[in-house]
Amino acid sequence: AQSVTQPDIHITVSEGASLELRCNYSYGATPYLFWYVQSPGQGLQLLLKYFSGDTLVQGIKGFEAEFKRSQSSFNLRKPSVHWSDAAEYFCAVKLIKAAGNKLTFGGGTRVLVKP
Amino acid sequence: DTEVTQTPKHLVMGMTNKKSLKCEQHMGHRAMYWYKQKAKKPPELMFVYSYEKLSINESVPSRFSPECPNSSLLNLHLHALQPEDSALYLCASSPHAQGPYTGELFFGEGSRLTVL
Repeated sequence: AQSVTQPDIHITVSEGASLELRCNYSYGATPYLFWYVQSPGQGLQLLLKYFSGDTLVQGIKGFEAEFKRSQSSFNLRKPSVHWSDAAEYFCAVKLIKAAGNKLTFGGGTRVLVKP
Repeated sequence: DTEVTQTPKHLVMGMTNKKSLKCEQHMGHRAMYWYKQKAKKPPELMFVYSYEKLSINESVPSRFSPECPNSSLLNLHLHALQPEDSALYLCASSPHAQGPYTGELFFGEGSRLTVL
């Protein structure tokens, strides 16, 4: 079945430590890939996107993500976490040949930052 | 101006009430969306408007009625809702109505709806 999976429901990280959030997809072809962040009580904000080309993409707030076709993964990373990075993170995909504007979200990973 | 504005931020309504959620963007975006988000869950797509025309309806019950009066406004009319409809309703827009860039969504802060 076609799906977007974020294996980690919760991650706790110390401030200043590195962070990696996992995202795997299961589709017949490589979709367009996105990471969004949702702070408590807020809407979602786009962190970065991958359409094609360089497999390491840079985003806002110091985040980057690496696309690995062989692993069907698009993992999000940040070298040094700040307390303000505590939020819910969603991986999302858009199928290239899908009609319409449907974006499919993964289940989300909640990041807690310890002082 | 890069905002999507939603009103009201909070809404409490009874099951017999009629209310509306409103969304506005002035970025010239060509597509607008309604998403429903339950607690600790990802957003679920409800409706998509492309060039002010309804292009996607994700089999949403008729008690939810979307409306796009013009390219900047999107409404969601609510009538005879059920308690299980309580959720955060998110509006979003995207610059393009076709292609990969439709995945680049700009979200509002949402309207938190409670149905009693």
